[in-house]
Amino acid sequence: GAGVSQSPRYKVTKRGQDVTLRCDPISSHATLYWYQQALGQGPEFLTYFNYEAQPDKSGLPSDRFSAERPEGSISTLTIQRTEQRDSAMYRCASSKDSGETQYFGPGTRLLVL
Amino acid sequence: SQKIEQNSEALNIQEGKTATLTCNYTNYSPAYLQWYRQDPGRGPVFLLLIRENEKEKRKERLKVTFDTTLKQSLFHITASQPADSATYLCALGAVGGSYIPTFGRGTSLIVHP
Repeated sequence: GAGVSQSPRYKVTKRGQDVTLRCDPISSHATLYWYQQALGQGPEFLTYFNYEAQPDKSGLPSDRFSAERPEGSISTLTIQRTEQRDSAMYRCASSKDSGETQYFGPGTRLLVL
Repeated sequence: SQKIEQNSEALNIQEGKTATLTCNYTNYSPAYLQWYRQDPGRGPVFLLLIRENEKEKRKERLKVTFDTTLKQSLFHITASQPADSATYLCALGAVGGSYIPTFGRGTSLIVHP
């Protein structure tokens, strides 16, 4: 596609529910990243993919967080048993290769009540 | 521990002046450093990349310097305009870190007409 897209743009959920966020990267890009960004802070790395491989998931805050990119294109980030502290902006970015310029999507704002 | 530091206080300058933003880092072996612009409610947008063996990069009114001895990058916007008002993030890609960039918290720039 022309740019990175994310859905939904906003998600309100109740504590304890599972949520799945979706990222559709630029079609020619091998690498896809997930970040969490709190207000007034820079994006914090969660995990990344090179095609369908997930070399680094060290930034995922707990085992409630998981991500997939089964066919090397679209990716999902799932948060199980959401907690209020999970409320944040979740940003996806893609690049041609790791270490190259990243192109960010508009983000999904998650609010856990 | 590893740190990337950007001034948390907003930088206020008058239109036409040069804005200079600072990014300091500790306990990194940098491969490259990037600067991004982020407008409210939007994802970061890539501006410039400078590699560890480069001293200076320019792009139109933007200039980035990289001093690996001082462990510092400076980002300059010459002839600043109110449209340059935004938050500017630096991101550092380290050797041995899969080159995944780590972001600073950003500095807000406000250019007054």
